[in-house]
Amino acid sequence: EPEVTQTPSHQVTQMGQEVILRCVPISNHLYFYWYRQILGQKVEFLVSFYNNEISEKSEIFDDQFSVERPDGSNFTLKIRSTKLEDSAMYFCASRRDRGQNEQFFGPGTRLTVL
Amino acid sequence: AQSVTQLDSQVPVFEEAPVELRCNYSSSVSVYLFWYVQYPNQGLQLLLKYLSGSTLVKGINGFEAEFNKSQTSFHLRKPSVHISDTAEYFCAVSEAAGNKLTFGGGTRVLVKP
Repeated sequence: EPEVTQTPSHQVTQMGQEVILRCVPISNHLYFYWYRQILGQKVEFLVSFYNNEISEKSEIFDDQFSVERPDGSNFTLKIRSTKLEDSAMYFCASRRDRGQNEQFFGPGTRLTVL
Repeated sequence: AQSVTQLDSQVPVFEEAPVELRCNYSSSVSVYLFWYVQYPNQGLQLLLKYLSGSTLVKGINGFEAEFNKSQTSFHLRKPSVHISDTAEYFCAVSEAAGNKLTFGGGTRVLVKP
């Protein structure tokens, strides 16, 4: 069964460093999402992406964040200059098309900022 | 804007006993409702969803949920749990199909033998 994959599973970085979290959505899916979950808190929406552009973003998704679909398979989340409060589990999700309601989630990347 | 409240952060339950996980939402528009499960070290997996139609929705692994519009609730139930149901369960809403999901805080279910 096709699934969303994410790499790495755990990323440790120093404050101020750039990180790129990678996701491979399900191959025939057209809509892509990033969510995050700070330890002990709710899963929060960050951004949605369709047709090579951001379709919606939350207040969390400020200028330090960017997303890209550099090729036909990867979907990346970049944090330019990480802060301690960026430490969280980051989930990627994808959805097939307009008529399909389910978002399929990856296993997540745990980001630890020291 | 919508919000989701899961009243119980943890629910311990004995094997083969029933379980109910409560979820209440608020929204100014019609919503779609979802329950996701997260097993240890795994991603979020869809258990069931309510889009329209019958208010009683059946999902995978013997779970079901009932949409109650007047009470703005979407409680999840299972009549008899297994050890393998130990996981965290998240209720979520979206204002339209495929839109961003707004999650509740999650309920951790611990099934004891």
